[in-house]
Amino acid sequence: SYVLTQPPSMSVAPGQTARITCGGDVIGSKSVHWYQQKPGQAPVLVVYDDVKRPSGIPERFSGSTSRNTATLIINRVELGDEADYYCQVWDSESDHLWVFGGGTKLTVL
Amino acid sequence: QVQLVQSGAEVKKPGASVKVSCKASGYTFTGHSMHWVRQAPGQGLEWIGWINPNSGGADYAQKFQGRVTLTRDTSISTVYMELSRLRSDDTAVYYCAKSQGQWNGHAFDIWGQGALVTVSS
Repeated sequence: SYVLTQPPSMSVAPGQTARITCGGDVIGSKSVHWYQQKPGQAPVLVVYDDVKRPSGIPERFSGSTSRNTATLIINRVELGDEADYYCQVWDSESDHLWVFGGGTKLTVL
Repeated sequence: QVQLVQSGAEVKKPGASVKVSCKASGYTFTGHSMHWVRQAPGQGLEWIGWINPNSGGADYAQKFQGRVTLTRDTSISTVYMELSRLRSDDTAVYYCAKSQGQWNGHAFDIWGQGALVTVSS
């Protein structure tokens, strides 16, 4: 089945840029979605279809993809961005159809 | 506003079944597929299955085939997830999530608040 690989954790200082990666075989050929989850809360969609941003999500959040890596980019990181971030793709050949990455815990120092 | 409201926490014994509901409001219920995702304590997100509220057709992750059933009641804009033969490792928060579209491939733009299911003897 299809596997998405994320770093378990990363840290960034306020005001800096966070780049959270999501690796997968030819992930560039799929649509990648990203979710933010704060402790005790449901996930929130922050980027969809690789680069699009839902209404209400700050412009500081953006996405990019290459052949085998998708990246969530958070510019001018704020304390409130501290959360777990998950990437997601739909893989019609996978026995799970929808696949999530293992998640990355972003700590804002 | 668009929202999904789930039923409350449940405690079940191993081998029992649980049925969680998810009531939708603020959008055309039959125009968007609904997904179920679970999260075990301290773990990541795991997709369970999806239902097309318009047709009632559903599909499930292979891991849950034969144990999970998704249904809907269009008259009250509610979907249900029933999981049978519960085991301790089914202990998790179960979320419903609305798709941006009716068919697969679209992101999940609205999530329910989650329902904690605890399986314990």
